[in-house]
Amino acid sequence: AQSVTQPDIHITVSEGASLELRCNYSYGATPYLFWYVQSPGQGLQLLLKYFSGDTLVQGIKGFEAEFKRSQSSFNLRKPSVHWSDAAEYFCAVVLGGGADGLTFGKGTHLIIQP
Amino acid sequence: KAGVTQTPRYLIKTRGQQVTLSCSPISGHRSVSWYQQTPGQGLQFLFEYFSETQRNKGNFPGRFSGRQFSNSRSEMNVSTLELGDSALYLCASSPIGGPPYNEQFFGPGTRLTVL
Repeated sequence: AQSVTQPDIHITVSEGASLELRCNYSYGATPYLFWYVQSPGQGLQLLLKYFSGDTLVQGIKGFEAEFKRSQSSFNLRKPSVHWSDAAEYFCAVVLGGGADGLTFGKGTHLIIQP
Repeated sequence: KAGVTQTPRYLIKTRGQQVTLSCSPISGHRSVSWYQQTPGQGLQFLFEYFSETQRNKGNFPGRFSGRQFSNSRSEMNVSTLELGDSALYLCASSPIGGPPYNEQFFGPGTRLTVL
């Protein structure tokens, strides 16, 4: 079965500091990879995605992610966080034809300290 | 373009009842997916509809069903509600083409509480 792991349930970062959220998956093949963000009371918004090609992908709101096949990881990064980045972040994968839909990690809750 | 809309936003039901949730996708989007979000299980895929046909289905009991209309609007139904069905139900629409679930746009969700 598809499996996505986000090891950090909560992360606290000071405003202006850099951020890295971890995501690991366990499959034989490389899935399609996504990062979504969910703000309180909101639906999910796509930050970025990786299908193939350049392993460093740029997304919206200044986020980027790097796909590392050897580590089965797709970590999300931002060089300098803003208070408005406080939210829940979800890594998600789709394998093959998508018969199992999007499989989400459990999420990482990001807290921004002033 | 208007975003994905879901109605109602909040629902309170009692055990044993049934409920119908509605989702209107972004204009021109023909794929609609449904997800259940709970604190314990997180986000789980329910099913996906495309051109009025269920194309993919997650691992949920038959009490959970859905349909899609010719205008791409979708409904999901849960019969014989259980306490564990209390959740945020999210709908997402996608344009056609590209890899599966290429670019999903999510609605704000329907918060269902089962008492």
